[in-house]
Amino acid sequence: DTAVSQTPKYLVTQMGNDKSIKCEQNLGHDTMYWYKQDSKKFLKIMFSYNNKELIINETVPNRFSPKSPDKAHLNLHINSLELGDSAVYFCASSASEAGNTIYFGEGSWLTVV
Amino acid sequence: SQQGEEDPQALSIQEGENATMNCSYKTSINNLQWYRQNSGRGLVHLILIRSNEREKHSGRLRVTLDTSKKSSSLLITASRAADTASYFCANTGKLIFGQGTTLQVKP
Repeated sequence: DTAVSQTPKYLVTQMGNDKSIKCEQNLGHDTMYWYKQDSKKFLKIMFSYNNKELIINETVPNRFSPKSPDKAHLNLHINSLELGDSAVYFCASSASEAGNTIYFGEGSWLTVV
Repeated sequence: SQQGEEDPQALSIQEGENATMNCSYKTSINNLQWYRQNSGRGLVHLILIRSNEREKHSGRLRVTLDTSKKSSSLLITASRAADTASYFCANTGKLIFGQGTTLQVKP
């Protein structure tokens, strides 16, 4: 069983479109994250949720809106996609205490054309 | 930037050689973790070293931590072609990852 699963794995879309990436974890973790990895493999935290509540919201454009219907799911919706949004987006989860091991999904490759 | 820095950014060695990657960090840590990322995949946790530890081993992996210098190193001994991947240090307490070292092990 995949611990952190995200869909779709690949997404090619045109500028201006709206898209969503879904994420689910079956580890029983309270905390979930979205990370963005750019072409230089730089990995940056975007959002952190604990028990469905937003904990961290880094300086991300408000076109990005996370939604957590329950603590096992954290979806990412992106409005009005721009070329610069092209990247790999990783969902991840951990037990709630800071400094715990983070478990990553396999990534969603987003290409905006 | 609070981001950690890794050195070297890229490393190419022959199978059987040892690979050493270094990481420097700027913020305080409770622990430092190392992750591996195979091409096209997510990051996978390798090893954790606590702030009061200086060295830790796990199989062919050896991690050191020098909190006075805010640096850590990951040593992979007797490397294999299957070790080819990117390696990241992380202060997960701050949700910060280093920029990674891309390791290529040639058969």
